[in-house]
Amino acid sequence: GENVEQHPSTLSVQEGDSAVIKCTYSDSASNYFPWYKQELGKRPQLIIDIRSNVGEKKDQRIAVTLNKTAKHFSLHITETQPEDSAVYFCAASIPGNQFYFGTGTSLTVIP
Amino acid sequence: NAGVTQTPKFRVLKTGQSMTLLCAQDMNHEYMYWYRQDPGMGLRLIHYSVGEGTTAKGEVPDGYNVSRLKKQNFLLGLESAAPSQTSVYFCASSRRDTIYEQYFGPGTRLTVT
Repeated sequence: GENVEQHPSTLSVQEGDSAVIKCTYSDSASNYFPWYKQELGKRPQLIIDIRSNVGEKKDQRIAVTLNKTAKHFSLHITETQPEDSAVYFCAASIPGNQFYFGTGTSLTVIP
Repeated sequence: NAGVTQTPKFRVLKTGQSMTLLCAQDMNHEYMYWYRQDPGMGLRLIHYSVGEGTTAKGEVPDGYNVSRLKKQNFLLGLESAAPSQTSVYFCASSRRDTIYEQYFGPGTRLTVT
């Protein structure tokens, strides 16, 4: 099956700096890559996603890039704010819509 | 719209006991999923369903059973609970035509002693 690796496991940044989280996947059939944000004690919520026919996608301060050849994708958060502090999960989906999640990155934004 | 709801929110079981977790969604979604979340391991798919009356195994199905008798409900059963099943369980659902976007429930924290 698919194997998704996520790095780093923890990340601390100063408010206003950028944060980058990276994921790799193993199955070349994976064609959809969502990112979820999970605040403490709450449910995961989709923040951005990218499909395999697109190389980059932006939504305000958040962007995701995908390199299909290298089988890796990254989440970029610019101008970080304290409310960005949470655990972020990447995932890869193979046809049939099974999701394989990374192990999560705990992001702390220091005011 | 309540979205995706889960019952119960918390539960403590003794080893060998059984229980059923209920997931309900009011968004008319065709697809439903059960995940478990353990520290440092992300979310792992237990079972999923692509429609009423159909279920399929995910990544970690052993020790669990599921049923989807109604489109809006997806039940997760533990027949004989083990301490290794201590986890937070999340249900999710998605539409067939926007197949990729999954909406999660609030989670059930289960402890098996």
